[in-house]
Amino acid sequence: GEDVEQSLFLSVREGDSSVINCTYTDSSSTYLYWYKQEPGAGLQLLTYIFSNMDMKQDQRLTVLLNKKDKHLSLRIADTQTGDSAIYFCAEDNYGQNFVFGPGTRLSVLP
Amino acid sequence: DVKVTQSSRYLVKRTGEKVFLECVQDMDHENMFWYRQDPGLGLRLIYFSYDVKMKEKGDIPEGYSVSREKKERFSLILESASTNQTSMYLCASSLEQGAESPLHFGNGTRLTVT
Repeated sequence: GEDVEQSLFLSVREGDSSVINCTYTDSSSTYLYWYKQEPGAGLQLLTYIFSNMDMKQDQRLTVLLNKKDKHLSLRIADTQTGDSAIYFCAEDNYGQNFVFGPGTRLSVLP
Repeated sequence: DVKVTQSSRYLVKRTGEKVFLECVQDMDHENMFWYRQDPGLGLRLIYFSYDVKMKEKGDIPEGYSVSREKKERFSLILESASTNQTSMYLCASSLEQGAESPLHFGNGTRLTVT
């Protein structure tokens, strides 16, 4: 079946850029998503990209999609301590069959 | 903004009790979902619904049932709670199938079964 993979941990220094990577297997994915989860809370939709795009920018967030390699990344510019959270990559097929990665725990060091 | 509200943030129940987890969304979404989240196992889909009075089993439906009598409300029922159902439960909704339709999540209910 479909699979989404992410590295489990990432540490960065405050003010640096963070890059969280994700790979997926489903070539029929239509949308790819990034969610953020803070401790004890639900998943917050951060941003998403349609599969025929290769980049989307939203303030400090930049999403890059390499459809050929099935690789998605989330870049957070000027990372702050408030960005410390778990980040989930996910993909779907026109609103069906959502598949989530295991999440990357981002730690921001002062 | 879409709001998905789960009725309880924390719940403690005894083994064998019948447990109801309630979820309400305010954006007239067609689709609603229940997931559980456990360390090392990620998010696992329990049940989902694409319409009122309609339900479909997800990946781990055993020990659970659901009810969707109204479009905005989707309830998860643990018929006889067991300790292995201690978990974080997340409700989500999305607009409809066949469209640009991201999932919007509630804040979660952390259930402990003793």
